[in-house]
Amino acid sequence: DQQVKQNSPSLSVQEGRISILNCDYTNSMFDYFLWYKKYPAEGPTFLISISSIKDKNEDGRFTVFLNKSAKHLSLHIVPSQPGDSAVYFCAATETNDMRFGAGTRLTVKP
Amino acid sequence: DGGITQSPKYLFRKEGQNVTLSCEQNLNHDAMYWYRQDPGQGLRLIYYSQIVNDFQKGDIAEGYSVSREKKESFPLTVTSAQKNPTAFYLCASSIPRVGTPGELFFGEGSRLTVL
Repeated sequence: DQQVKQNSPSLSVQEGRISILNCDYTNSMFDYFLWYKKYPAEGPTFLISISSIKDKNEDGRFTVFLNKSAKHLSLHIVPSQPGDSAVYFCAATETNDMRFGAGTRLTVKP
Repeated sequence: DGGITQSPKYLFRKEGQNVTLSCEQNLNHDAMYWYRQDPGQGLRLIYYSQIVNDFQKGDIAEGYSVSREKKESFPLTVTSAQKNPTAFYLCASSIPRVGTPGELFFGEGSRLTVL
């Protein structure tokens, strides 16, 4: 049972434009959500997070939006840069473990 | 500098053999985790440990075993009972928040291939 879903396996955008990565979850008990970025043959690195008591968190070019009623969160990257090309994982947690989505491969074209 | 070290980076195993993947951290984190990554399936939790000498099964613990004798170390053994062990294995650690885990810090991963 996949509790965190990223339905788009890939996304391609032009440099300078906005990248929007989406994530849906099924467990209403999740209280903390995170985005990780992963390059090939490396471990994921933490990017940005949001608590369930907020609906938006911003860090530089990265903004995460949370819509609890829709059980949906999204990551916006503005402006997108070629170095942002990577796999992005959405994650959610409620207790002592963390559930991950399948990831979305973002390609930013120069 | 602080971080998580996984070894070996690449490992080949014959069917029927047990192998142990090493994970060491010098971040002084209490919690450690093992995940498995397969194409199209994201990261799936194998085992996690919140404190020394204690660990819990994750979603796919069958065919795996762990130990947590030291805070810094959380080795994973892939036993011959694991039916499909070829995968990319990731170790992580975190400082638990009250009641829930904080962000995870990952190692660079170990790729296991069964021949």
